[in-house]
Amino acid sequence: GDSVTQMEGPVTLSEEAFLTINCTYTATGYPSLFWYVQYPGEGLQLLLKATKADDKGSNKGFEATYRKETTSFHLEKGSVQVSDSAVYFCALNRLGYGQNFVFGPGTRLSVLP
Amino acid sequence: GAGVSQSPSNKVTEKGKDVELRCDPISGHTALYWYRQRLGQGLEFLIYFQGNSAPDKSGLPSDRFSAERTGESVSTLTIQRTQQEDSAVYLCASSRPSAPSNTEAFFGQGTRLTVV
Repeated sequence: GDSVTQMEGPVTLSEEAFLTINCTYTATGYPSLFWYVQYPGEGLQLLLKATKADDKGSNKGFEATYRKETTSFHLEKGSVQVSDSAVYFCALNRLGYGQNFVFGPGTRLSVLP
Repeated sequence: GAGVSQSPSNKVTEKGKDVELRCDPISGHTALYWYRQRLGQGLEFLIYFQGNSAPDKSGLPSDRFSAERTGESVSTLTIQRTQQEDSAVYLCASSRPSAPSNTEAFFGQGTRLTVV
């Protein structure tokens, strides 16, 4: 079945450091890929998405590129801020295949001032 | 409403009692999902409704769990004879699937269930 794997956390960085959170997936066909973020005490919200190979999703300084050859969708940000501290979830979606959204386990990021 | 609404936001119940959690999806969203998130853990899929199709119940952990949805509107998740292991945040999400499957899922704030 479909699955999403993320790097284990927690990840602790200093402000202005470079961030990479790895995400790889297993799915039949051509899923859409998403990163969701959960800030402390809040619900999940979409951070960015990509719908086909080589697409780059971007938002709030975060970027991720859909790499079909490596089945990856790594999240990057050039300079993190304390306000980026949250849990990040990678997810995939295959329309019409039962379990519509599959989420990774989440990666907790803490950014220190 | 503007977003996915869940109620109650918090529920404390005694072990062995039944609880009912409610989700109001965004109007027009044909797909609705329930997930469970234990403290510090990821999202555990429970059930998925899509329009008038038979729901995908493959994630329900036991026969104490059931869910219903009225048409393309409200859904209720029922947990019978609650156990302490059921303590978690129950998240509901909705989406409007369309080719090429690029629509996001919108999440509610969740219901925090505590079984004592």
